[in-house]
Amino acid sequence: AQSVAQPEDQVNVAEGNPLTVKCTYSVSGNPYLFWYVQYPNRGLQFLLKYITGDNLVKGSYGFEAEFNKSQTSFHLKKPSALVSDSALYFCAVRALSGGYNKLIFGAGTRLAVHP
Amino acid sequence: DAGVIQSPRHEVTEMGQEVTLRCKPISGHDYLFWYRQTMMRGLELLIYFNNNVPIDDSGMPEDRFSAKMPNASFSTLKIQPSEPRDSAVYFCASSRLGQYEQYFGPGTRLTVT
Repeated sequence: AQSVAQPEDQVNVAEGNPLTVKCTYSVSGNPYLFWYVQYPNRGLQFLLKYITGDNLVKGSYGFEAEFNKSQTSFHLKKPSALVSDSALYFCAVRALSGGYNKLIFGAGTRLAVHP
Repeated sequence: DAGVIQSPRHEVTEMGQEVTLRCKPISGHDYLFWYRQTMMRGLELLIYFNNNVPIDDSGMPEDRFSAKMPNASFSTLKIQPSEPRDSAVYFCASSRLGQYEQYFGPGTRLTVT
């Protein structure tokens, strides 16, 4: 069965420092991976996806993610964090059974960027 | 494009009442999803449709919940009768065939007293 794990409930980082939000996955076959962000009282917003190609994927708001097949990871990164990046971040993987476009979401990681 | 539209944004109702949540997906999208988000259980997929046909409703918690999609631009999620444990934020999302990523609406915050 497909699954994603976000091992950290919360990540704290100082403004201006690099940030990493971790995600590991378990799928059979090639993974289709996604990152979403949720600001307070808002819906989830799509940030970026990995389907195939370069292992480093660039997305919205200066975020990028690195796909690592050997470590089955898809960590979200940003070189310099902003206070406005504080939000809830979800990693997701496309389910290969039960539906073509079904996504399985992780539990979420709360990112807190301190001034 | 206006994005996914949900109404109402907030709903407060008493236990036992019927609640209807509404969703308009992005024009041209083939898939529509209903999710529920709570602190305790996180984000749960309730049901999804492909070309207006329900594909997987295994996440619907019980018979009190029902969802319909009468046409490509409208879907409803109904709870009858509602219970306090149904209090949550309900999201609708849509996606296009072959696109994989889903686009979420702003959600409906439901409070059942």
